[in-house]
Amino acid sequence: RKEVEQDPGPFNVPEGATVAFNCTYSNSASQSFFWYRQDCRKEPKLLMSVYSSGNEDGRFTAQLNRASQYISLLIRDSKLSDSATYLCVVTGMDSSYKLIFGSGTRLLVRP
Amino acid sequence: SQTIHQWPATLVQPVGSPLSLECTVEGTSNPNLYWYRQAAGRGLQLLFYSVGIGQISSEVPQNLSASRPQDRQFILSSKKLLLSDSGFYLCAWSIQGGNYYGYTFGSGTRLTVV
Repeated sequence: RKEVEQDPGPFNVPEGATVAFNCTYSNSASQSFFWYRQDCRKEPKLLMSVYSSGNEDGRFTAQLNRASQYISLLIRDSKLSDSATYLCVVTGMDSSYKLIFGSGTRLLVRP
Repeated sequence: SQTIHQWPATLVQPVGSPLSLECTVEGTSNPNLYWYRQAAGRGLQLLFYSVGIGQISSEVPQNLSASRPQDRQFILSSKKLLLSDSGFYLCAWSIQGGNYYGYTFGSGTRLTVV
């Protein structure tokens, strides 16, 4: 089983739509969770951290369900510029220093 | 503010040639440093990480090695490249305990072995 699993997509949605991604992780001891965004042929960039209480940053909302070991990202009012690959990231089995990246979910927002 | 520099941006190398990729961080001290590789259409694979000068941990047995000769310098090397070494190489840094704050990536080196 992969440590972090994501639906690769692509999710193809019209502008203005609401889209949600889920991610599951295998290490119940993971302490830190993030969503990164990666544009085509670019480096990943931190989108937001994910807190147990859930957190929101503008049109983006992240949720964590520790009992079920999944993380979600909700994007409201999608923009063309949201088209990218979204990477789910959790602390690895050895939680000292390493983050484990999912393979990503690709989002395409069409006009 | 902290910045991370990685070069070169692109590289085409023949099979069997050596490799040296360099990464430097500015504006911070004693960072954790990481090398990742992303094969085409795949996820990020952690290759090496370092928590201090001369301290290197290898994640995956392979044709590559890493060194940290200075606090803010991280080098990825190979003596003889293989076709399978092609990919997008990313250097990243974090503060100590950075798993709580995430990593910041350099702009990456796209390596094609021919």
